[in-house]
Amino acid sequence: GDSVTQMEGPVTLSEEAFLTINCTYTATGYPSLFWYVQYPGEGLQLLLKATKADDKGSNKGFEATYRKETTSFHLEKGSVQVSDSAVYFCALSDRSGSSNTGKLIFGQGTTLQVKP
Amino acid sequence: DSGVTQTPKHLITATGQRVTLRCSPRSGDLSVYWYQQSLDQGLQFLIQYYNGEERAKGNILERFSAQQFPDLHSELNLSSLELGDSALYFCASSVDGLAGFKQFFGPGTRLTVL
Repeated sequence: GDSVTQMEGPVTLSEEAFLTINCTYTATGYPSLFWYVQYPGEGLQLLLKATKADDKGSNKGFEATYRKETTSFHLEKGSVQVSDSAVYFCALSDRSGSSNTGKLIFGQGTTLQVKP
Repeated sequence: DSGVTQTPKHLITATGQRVTLRCSPRSGDLSVYWYQQSLDQGLQFLIQYYNGEERAKGNILERFSAQQFPDLHSELNLSSLELGDSALYFCASSVDGLAGFKQFFGPGTRLTVL
């Protein structure tokens, strides 16, 4: 079945450092890919998405490119801030045929801690 | 604020009991999803409703059931509760129950089974 694998955390960075969180997926169809963020004590918020190969999603300085050849959707940010400290989830949603229900399959989440 | 409301925020109960979690989707959203977040299983999809009808089912236990009412709010019923059911339960809604559409998540209901 479809699955998502994220790099294990926690990831600890200093403010203004470069961030990469790796995400790879397995899907039989044509998934849409997402990054969600969960701040402490809150629900999930959509950070960015990409719906087809070579699409780049971006928001608040974060970027991720849908790479079909490597089945990856790595999250990057050029300069992290303390306020970026949160748990980041990579997810997919299968768009093919009867699987096109919108249900999200999540990776295990990566905790990011940014120190001043 | 995502516009999705969930009640109660916290629920503490005993093994063997039954509880009901409630979700109100964003205005205009027809689809509701339920997810379970636990330390050992991570975030897992449970079930989806679209305009009152069940559309997709995930790893939802037979002890769990859900429904979506004509006003589009949804309830998740958990019965014969076990310690392992302790988790954060999220509801999400989207305008259309298809892939690629943004899902808005509620703040969650934290269930503790003692």
